[in-house]
Amino acid sequence: DIQMTQSPSSLSASVGDRVTITCRASQSISSYLNWYQQKPGKAPKLLIYVASSLQSGVPSRFSGSGSGTDFTLTISGLQPEDIATYYCQQSYITPPAFGQGTKVEI
Amino acid sequence: QLQLQESGPGLVKPSETLSLTCNVSGGSISSSGYYWGWIRQPPGKGLEWIGSIYYSGSTFYKPSLKSRVTISADTSKNQFSLRLNSVTAADTAVYYCARRIDSSSWTFDYWGQGTLVTVSS
Repeated sequence: DIQMTQSPSSLSASVGDRVTITCRASQSISSYLNWYQQKPGKAPKLLIYVASSLQSGVPSRFSGSGSGTDFTLTISGLQPEDIATYYCQQSYITPPAFGQGTKVEI
Repeated sequence: QLQLQESGPGLVKPSETLSLTCNVSGGSISSSGYYWGWIRQPPGKGLEWIGSIYYSGSTFYKPSLKSRVTISADTSKNQFSLRLNSVTAADTAVYYCARRIDSSSWTFDYWGQGTLVTVSS
């Protein structure tokens, strides 16, 4: 199975800050990497798929990059509503696997 | 707008079988290309994919759970179900049903709200 490792596990930032979360796969997954946002008590929400494609309705301050084993989620201008836990997920092979999550706080 | 809704017992005894159903509205589980599955999240922990099914009956399971899991679909009711047998406290989690966007990648675009299942005597 492919293992996904995120860093940091948590971070604290201010409104308007640029926030970067990294995700590393245990083997190459090409660009088959998704990012999800989960707010407390809610289901995860798809933000970005195939590493850099923004899901419909997601604000443009969210962006993704990377390929192979190393990926990044960037929030350009953190907003109060962005407080959540973010998960990466490899969508390359079965079984799909998630990172352990990064909790973003203000 | 596609909606998924989980239902089932919130409390299951150890060694018994956990059974959940996901009712789909606003779309058909028989639609070509979509897979329907289950993902769980133990309290305070991360997400774990359990398995998925195509309306034709083709299934995919996480290898470490495969011996205990069965996912089935009822196209006449537009719903699919999860059965997890021989449960232990480690199976306590919020269980989500979700749609796999297409057959080219494991991307989940629609999720149910989730239902908490506690395994306890």
